[in-house]
Amino acid sequence: GAGVSQSPSNKVTEKGKDVELRCDPISGHTALYWYRQSLGQGLEFLIYFQGNSAPDKSGLPSDRFSAERTGGSVSTLTIQRTQQEDSAVYLCASSLGQAKNIQYFGAGTRLSVL
Amino acid sequence: LAKTTQPISMDSYEGQEVNITCSHNNIATNDYITWYQQFPSQGPRFIIQGYKTKVTNEVASLFIPADRKSSTLSLPRVSLSDTAVYYCLVTRGSTLGRLYFGRGTQLTVWP
Repeated sequence: GAGVSQSPSNKVTEKGKDVELRCDPISGHTALYWYRQSLGQGLEFLIYFQGNSAPDKSGLPSDRFSAERTGGSVSTLTIQRTQQEDSAVYLCASSLGQAKNIQYFGAGTRLSVL
Repeated sequence: LAKTTQPISMDSYEGQEVNITCSHNNIATNDYITWYQQFPSQGPRFIIQGYKTKVTNEVASLFIPADRKSSTLSLPRVSLSDTAVYYCLVTRGSTLGRLYFGRGTQLTVWP
């Protein structure tokens, strides 16, 4: 596709439920990143993939958060047993995996945990 | 990576030139300066990246002095649609990985 695509654009869930967020990167981009942004805050890094491997997942806030990437393309971020503090916009970015590290972002998934 | 400092907010009027300055005193030799723009309900958008001197594209110019301890993003003749948050980042030229976003500068353009 022309850009990074994320789905759903909005997700409302109840506390304790599991959610899956999807990211479809720009075709040919080998690196994929997940960030989250709470209201009025900067971006918080979650995890980074190079191909299907995750060299850096140090930003995942707890073991309720996990992510995978298959076929070097689509990635899924899963949040188990959601809590109200998980409410945020979850942003995905991709890059060519080359020097200078220019990342291209999707529009995000707005997660609301009631 | 070097920490960046930029103003929290700026105001301007349509048609004016806006300069947003960012300081990065501890920038390393192989680091680049990169600027992103973010509109409400959207992800950040790459604007411009530079290493030294001046870089210009269709959107903005980036001025970096010889000591590289600061940089200035220049937006010519802003319009209402330039109202956004602008982030200054230091990015390592030789490696990949996370980007470090601060709070950015909220630019508000008034009619």
